[in-house]
Amino acid sequence: DAGITQSPRHKVTETGTPVTLRCHQTENHRYMYWYRQDPGHGLRLIHYSYGVKDTDKGEVSDGYSVSRSKTEDFLLTLESATSSQTSVYFCAINAGGGLADTQYFGPGTRLTVL
Amino acid sequence: AQKVTQAQTEISVVEKEDVTLDCVYETRDTTYYLFWYKQPPSGELVFLIRRNSFDEQNEISGRYSWNFQKSTSSFNFTITASQVVDSAVYFCALSELTGGGNKLTFGTGTQLKVEL
Repeated sequence: DAGITQSPRHKVTETGTPVTLRCHQTENHRYMYWYRQDPGHGLRLIHYSYGVKDTDKGEVSDGYSVSRSKTEDFLLTLESATSSQTSVYFCAINAGGGLADTQYFGPGTRLTVL
Repeated sequence: AQKVTQAQTEISVVEKEDVTLDCVYETRDTTYYLFWYKQPPSGELVFLIRRNSFDEQNEISGRYSWNFQKSTSSFNFTITASQVVDSAVYFCALSELTGGGNKLTFGTGTQLKVEL
């Protein structure tokens, strides 16, 4: 158990509404990540963070923003949700951030945008 | 750009059969790490193994074994005597080091179904 929780676990929302997903860790790790999982695409990196207030874009960042005001929380926001953002979202943490360090994943959030 | 290819979308085997999951990767880095993750039907992602690019010694752990070949850019995963509990989606991933820590590039996954 890597001490990662995600909330909510399931959410149904409507197109155009803002949505915020939360990732919380209890391990005080520096590096945190948001991925989305879609059939035929595997997992793709949305944004990541390498410290409080330090974030950067991943492969599929359009339409998403993130914030990290505390070490333990990494928030993913969809400013105006679209149906193409229907997906399963996973948060991950990484203790060291080095090439060899393993990423451990949270349980996922299933988001449906109608 | 890095790329990971898992050409097998779905594999079905009968319990006790051996099964190999293929992974081919592309990278310009000379030092890199490869990972396998398992995603059972319950949905969580479980880390299985990590290998580095400078150690091509194959590894066995119980019923699992891994075959890393740098010359063919492949990192294949074999389950011996498969069991129904092995049914899951298996992802291969490649690590890339950036200024913000390491990033993983995932393959599209292989769905393994083990039937009685």
